[in-house]
Amino acid sequence: GESVGLHLPTLSVQEGDNSIINCAYSNSASDYFIWYKQESGKGPQFIIDIRSNMDKRQGQRVTVLLNKTVKHLSLQIAATQPGDSAVYFCAENIRTGGFKTIFGAGTRLFVKA
Amino acid sequence: NAGVTQTPKFQVLKTGQSMTLQCAQDMNHEYMSWYRQDPGMGLRLIHYSVGAGITDQGEVPNGYNVSRSTTEDFPLRLLSAAPSQTSVYFCASSYSTGAVNSPLHFGNGTRLTVT
Repeated sequence: GESVGLHLPTLSVQEGDNSIINCAYSNSASDYFIWYKQESGKGPQFIIDIRSNMDKRQGQRVTVLLNKTVKHLSLQIAATQPGDSAVYFCAENIRTGGFKTIFGAGTRLFVKA
Repeated sequence: NAGVTQTPKFQVLKTGQSMTLQCAQDMNHEYMSWYRQDPGMGLRLIHYSVGAGITDQGEVPNGYNVSRSTTEDFPLRLLSAAPSQTSVYFCASSYSTGAVNSPLHFGNGTRLTVT
């Protein structure tokens, strides 16, 4: 079936270290992938996206890697800060004539000061 | 721009009651969708719409109805509330179309409790 899942439900890192959050997806026809950050009591917020014709995209302190061969997506956060503590979701757009966005279960990132 | 606005923020219903969760966006987005988020789980797609007059079912559509009479509004109706529908509901919209990909913009959610 269609699913986007995460390998690790929680991740604890030291402030200043790099964080890596992983995601596996199952729909090989998906052509667009997105990472969202959700803070307590709020809706998810867009972090970075990548199209299926790319394997890497960099933003400010964040990098997304896409490996279509093994259907794997990762989010790298450089020099993790306390403000990065949140739940992170990966998502994929699945073409359905139109399209729909399906989310993974989420990874909670704890940043230790 | 207000973005995506959801009302109410909180709601308590008794089993069997009906209600409508409101969602409005002022970004002229064609795509709108509803998700529910249960504790310890991700967001599950309930219904979505790629434009006015068009709706489709997501992963968990049972017990919910939607309509899209305007581009701006996408209400979610619970016809007969059940305790299993206790959840946080998020509405989201996007500039995405069949040819263009764009991320979702989310509202701040409606926390619904069914007793």
